[in-house]
Amino acid sequence: SAVISQKPSRDICQRGTSLTIQCQVDSQVTMMFWYRQQPGQSLTLIATANQGSEATYESGFVIDKFPISRPNLTFSTLTVSNMSPEDSSIYLCSVRRVGSPYEQYFGPGTRLTVT
Amino acid sequence: RKEVEQDPGPFNVPEGATVAFNCTYSNSASQSFFWYRQDCRKEPKLLMSVYSSGNEDGRFTAQLNRASQYISLLIRDSKLSDSATYLCVVTFLYIPTFGRGTSLIVHP
Repeated sequence: SAVISQKPSRDICQRGTSLTIQCQVDSQVTMMFWYRQQPGQSLTLIATANQGSEATYESGFVIDKFPISRPNLTFSTLTVSNMSPEDSSIYLCSVRRVGSPYEQYFGPGTRLTVT
Repeated sequence: RKEVEQDPGPFNVPEGATVAFNCTYSNSASQSFFWYRQDCRKEPKLLMSVYSSGNEDGRFTAQLNRASQYISLLIRDSKLSDSATYLCVVTFLYIPTFGRGTSLIVHP
């Protein structure tokens, strides 16, 4: 498996502010994803982070709200912009390793509370 | 109809029991299938892949039924440490869809 770290692990933010979450992987990976998991719910894919180009967003998620960067093969950031209480959730980075096109591994998550 | 459906449970079983979960999926062209385990307030972790021929790993057996579009997970001789939420994952064109998970509680 890949070792994935996320920063911050948790944060409490005020409405209207923005938070950038970092995801760092210990080895090169083919794909990086950002998910959201709200209490009692399953994981919802926000977007696929593409190296050196714009992320691919799923229906219901837009770049202005969730800008994503992936400057290299081992690092990505997700920003939650202009936050509202509805953005309170756990945000998870996920990767696929070279040679394992289907298996995914998850970071420990960032627990965000918006007040 | 949801793409991937699971009974949320909870399944409440005594130690040593055998328990089985099913997960149905709607896309007949789905290509790969997995079970993940998620402990409370932790990230999901890959438990095992699921193949039509079946996949066994110790006390855990996973099975895929393409004709009926469901996958199953069987846990034998349940341990207290098996208590967790089990997520079914179905992948199509490299994009996974997660079920809501089935909660398992193993009690003494």
